[in-house]
Order: sequence, then structure tokens, then C-alpha cells
Amino acid sequence: GQQLNQSPQSMFIQEGEDVSMNCTSSSIFNTWLWYKQDPGEGPVLLIALYKAGELTSNGRLTAQFGITRKDSFLNISASIPSDVGIYFCAGRYSNTGKLIFGQGTTLQVKP
Amino acid sequence: EPEVTQTPSHQVTQMGQEVILRCVPISNHLYFYWYRQILGQKVEFLVSFYNNEISEKSEIFDDQFSVERPDGSNFTLKIRSTKLEDSAMYFCASSITSGSGNEQFFGPGTRLTVL
Repeated sequence: GQQLNQSPQSMFIQEGEDVSMNCTSSSIFNTWLWYKQDPGEGPVLLIALYKAGELTSNGRLTAQFGITRKDSFLNISASIPSDVGIYFCAGRYSNTGKLIFGQGTTLQVKP
Repeated sequence: EPEVTQTPSHQVTQMGQEVILRCVPISNHLYFYWYRQILGQKVEFLVSFYNNEISEKSEIFDDQFSVERPDGSNFTLKIRSTKLEDSAMYFCASSITSGSGNEQFFGPGTRLTVL
């Protein structure tokens, strides 16, 4: 089945630094999503991307849908302590709504 | 803001027992999903449900699993005879449509521990 490779697996950064993470797939997706998961909670949607090449921002977050439709990246600028959590990319290719998730990037921010 | 709710937050059961995990999706949503997340791993799709039918299910969703919308508000996941490897967080999600522009909202999850 379809799989997403997400990297890096974890990041430990200083407050104020920028962060970048990405996902790649061997198959095409028609939607890319980025979620954040805090401990003991469900994933919360950050950004949704629907067209190849699309670049979308949500506050300090920026994400892009790769031209090949096989990759996406998420950037976080000027990180703050509350950015701590696990970030997942997810792709959708099916009209049943099924999401395929990446393995997650654990972000830790040092004040 | 409307949200997906799940009960119980934590379920402990003995291997071989049946469990029912409950979800109340957002009221105007029509598509419902179950996902699971084994500790420290990624979120995995189990099943999607629309119009009282399963739309798609993964290879994880074998004959031991079933879903039901018993009334207008609840959406349940039943595991008939639990195994140790069923221990995981189970997330319910719902959406207005299954396509672009109306994304899935996730509940807080039920942690299932099988002893």
C-alpha cells in the first residue's frame, strides 16, 4: 500500500529558530495535510493543500504541495515553546476519505 | 466550537473479551472514520463509513472488527475478541464530505489496553 516517509524523525531546537520537515511518497496524492498531536490528544489539522505547487500559510506555519504531487514540506518560523509536539503529514488519494499518515516528527523547543 | 467526543478515555480489558469504543461525531458531518495509533508509531487508517455502510477498510480491519451507527449521534467500533496487539489509541474522526475542503476532525482518542 501507499506509504509516506517523513523526516526528520525528531528535532531539538532553540526557541526562535526556524524548523523544516518534509514527507515523500512513491505514489501520487491529491491532498496533503499537516497535523499536530499533543500528548494524549488527537491530531489537530494545521494546514491543508489541494493543488500541486500550492503554497499555504497559517500564521508562522507554511506548507507546500510538491509539483510532482509526491511530496510536501512544512516550515515553522520563529519557534516558540508551545510548538512542542508531534507533527504528522498525511496524504489522501482515495474518494473515501482515507488518510495515510507519515511516521511523525517530534519537535522539542528549548526556551 | 463543535468537536468529536470519544468514550471511554481509557479502556482496560482481558485478552479475548469484547470491547466497544464509542464516538459522537460532529452533528452535521456525514463521513466517519476510525484510526488507531500503537504507542510511539504513526496513525493508521482502519475504516471509513458513510450512509450506514463501510466505504473502505484497511487490512487491519479484519473480521474481529465491526462498526455501527446505532442511532443518529453515536458511531461505535467493536472488537469481538481482543488480542494483545490490539492495544493502541483509537481515534474517531468525522467530516462533512470525503473530499477536498472539508477535512477530518479527530476526537481525543480512547486508549485501549489489552492484558
